[in-house]
Amino acid sequence: AQSVAQPEDQVNVAEGNPLTVKCTYSVSGNPYLFWYVQYPNRGLQFLLKYITGDNLVKGSYGFEAEFNKSQTSFHLKKPSALVSDSALYFCAVRDQGTGGGNKLTFGTGTQLKVEL
Amino acid sequence: EAQVTQNPRYLITVTGKKLTVTCSQNMNHEYMSWYRQDPGLGLRQIYYSMNVEVTDKGDVPEGYKVSRKEKRNFPLILESPSPNQTSLYFCASSFAGLTYEQYFGPGTRLTVT
Repeated sequence: AQSVAQPEDQVNVAEGNPLTVKCTYSVSGNPYLFWYVQYPNRGLQFLLKYITGDNLVKGSYGFEAEFNKSQTSFHLKKPSALVSDSALYFCAVRDQGTGGGNKLTFGTGTQLKVEL
Repeated sequence: EAQVTQNPRYLITVTGKKLTVTCSQNMNHEYMSWYRQDPGLGLRQIYYSMNVEVTDKGDVPEGYKVSRKEKRNFPLILESPSPNQTSLYFCASSFAGLTYEQYFGPGTRLTVT
């Protein structure tokens, strides 16, 4: 069975500093990996995905993520954090098995707090 | 505007009173899913549909029903809600194919007393 771990419930960072939100995964085959962001009282918004190819994936709002197959990690990064980046971030994985209607297996989420 | 809509956004009900949460998407997506979000558990899939009249159970289907009579709509039915179904519910849709991301609705916060 596939799984996702987000080891930090909360990450605090000062505005202007780089941020990293960690994610590790477990799947039986090659993974498809996703990051979503959830703002208060809003649905999940897609940030970026890794399917194949370059290990560094660029996404929305200046975010990027680095896929590391040997460490089974997919950490989310941003070079310079903004207060408006404060939100709940979810990592998710889908394996290459068919079925499940493209079901995503989610991590438990990491609350990012960016302070002035 | 491409979107997934859900109604109602907030609902407080009592144990045993049947309710339906509607979901509609305007992107002509084949796949649709329902998830519930609970603190410390992330999101878990309840049911999914891969096309009209094709539905199947996800990871936590007990106490829920769905139907897919039209491609754009995928309602979630709670025949006899119980307090353990108090949660935040999200509908999602995507094109068929594993590389496509899912689009999520704004969520429905359900409280069952």
